[in-house]
Amino acid sequence: QSVLTQPASVSGSPGQSITISCAGTSSDIGVDVYNFVSWYQHHPGNAPKLIIYDVTERPSGVSSRFSGSKSGDTASLTISGLQAEDEADYYCTSYTTSDTLIFGGGTRLTVL
Amino acid sequence: EVQLVQSGAEVRKPGESLKISCQGSGYTFTNYWIGWVRQLPGKGLEWMGIIHPRNSDARYSPSFQGRVTISADKSITTAYLQWSSLTASDTAIYFCTRYYNNYLDSWGQGALVTVSS
Repeated sequence: QSVLTQPASVSGSPGQSITISCAGTSSDIGVDVYNFVSWYQHHPGNAPKLIIYDVTERPSGVSSRFSGSKSGDTASLTISGLQAEDEADYYCTSYTTSDTLIFGGGTRLTVL
Repeated sequence: EVQLVQSGAEVRKPGESLKISCQGSGYTFTNYWIGWVRQLPGKGLEWMGIIHPRNSDARYSPSFQGRVTISADKSITTAYLQWSSLTASDTAIYFCTRYYNNYLDSWGQGALVTVSS
């Protein structure tokens, strides 16, 4: 598999919650002993920023409005209390059984 | 503060070679892998490969094996990405990133590489 599958776009109004899915396979996200899914926020023109690692963990300084989960071969990122500054591209990654990382195709979040 | 500072934008002609750099500071450079990520124009992020600066152990994504070379000079805390013969399809933004426990916790600012005749 070349990339993890994400929706191309999602949208929501300020204050709402949205969820972005990231579908993989039994060779990456679906490996039971792996919790190596991470999520990145990317405002074009800037460096991407780590917002979730190890499926559910938030780096210091990242808002608690961002949360992650995993079920089977699919990981999810939820953003609650949407804010204008959340408008960005979001990417998931997973470690794979081929000892490499794989990215999702990216999701453009629009805050209406 | 961890910082990865990349070299600037480059313009080359097809067939030319290029080496771009990524200097790390604010941490022990030889304790972490450094990775490279490509973003084609209007497209998403792609994993290219990683290198461990302590011993220059380099590993490549299958899509990039043989197409690029990743290297590092620990004496100047710098990692490199190089091409021996560029093509127009190498036009992209390239990010370096610190790789830790299978996630990417710090990123460089990105370097735009333009290949055009």
